[in-house]
Amino acid sequence: QVQLVESGGGVVQSGRSLRLSCVASGFFFRAYGMYWIRQAPGKGPEWVAVIWHDGSNPEYEDSVKGRFTVSRDNSRNTLYLQMNSLTVDDTAVYSCARRVETPMGGLYFDLWGPGTQVTVSA
Amino acid sequence: QSVLTQPPSVSGAPGQRVTISCTGSNSNLGAGYEVHWYQQVPRTAPKVLIYSKNNRPSGVPDRFSGSQSGTSASLAITGLQAEDEGVYFCQSFDNTLNNVVFGGGTRLTVL
Repeated sequence: QVQLVESGGGVVQSGRSLRLSCVASGFFFRAYGMYWIRQAPGKGPEWVAVIWHDGSNPEYEDSVKGRFTVSRDNSRNTLYLQMNSLTVDDTAVYSCARRVETPMGGLYFDLWGPGTQVTVSA
Repeated sequence: QSVLTQPPSVSGAPGQRVTISCTGSNSNLGAGYEVHWYQQVPRTAPKVLIYSKNNRPSGVPDRFSGSQSGTSASLAITGLQAEDEGVYFCQSFDNTLNNVVFGGGTRLTVL
């Protein structure tokens, strides 16, 4: 079954850390670039981090630069997001998503996980 | 504040047609980057409904269609069904931000 399943979320105090995992199954994981996308209550999705298929070229949304680190282990079909110095503004559902490029130079996400809730208390 | 603007909610009776708009700018939709649409039902993973303006993945009924012109795009749903309830959001690419951008999402209620 082709799917992504996240884990590692929880309730933490501001300033603490969490490590999220996303396990892929049913497809050739190492062939795809992957994103972490979060959705705060009442807001639209927001990309957080992206990593290429081979683990290179990680990029981060400005508000998480220097605090979050994306990585992957293609031998374990797993994507990670290490989140340090968490703040209340990081509270959201975090999903991993598989990236697909279009011939016109854009990209979209053809497979998402259901997400894992991260709640940061003050 | 999402880069792409969507109405917060729309509603319609079973069998009716509804549309959901998505408004961007010259650095995303207006620059020719394609719009993509997703459906999110509570407690499930978002699912791509329409990709690259008006393409449906296998399994998505032809009741769903998309269009795009200039800085705007829209998703149309005909023959509304109760199972269509959920949140719909649009997504594209922005060449100023140099990454993907999303709409804030529109909650569809089937009356």
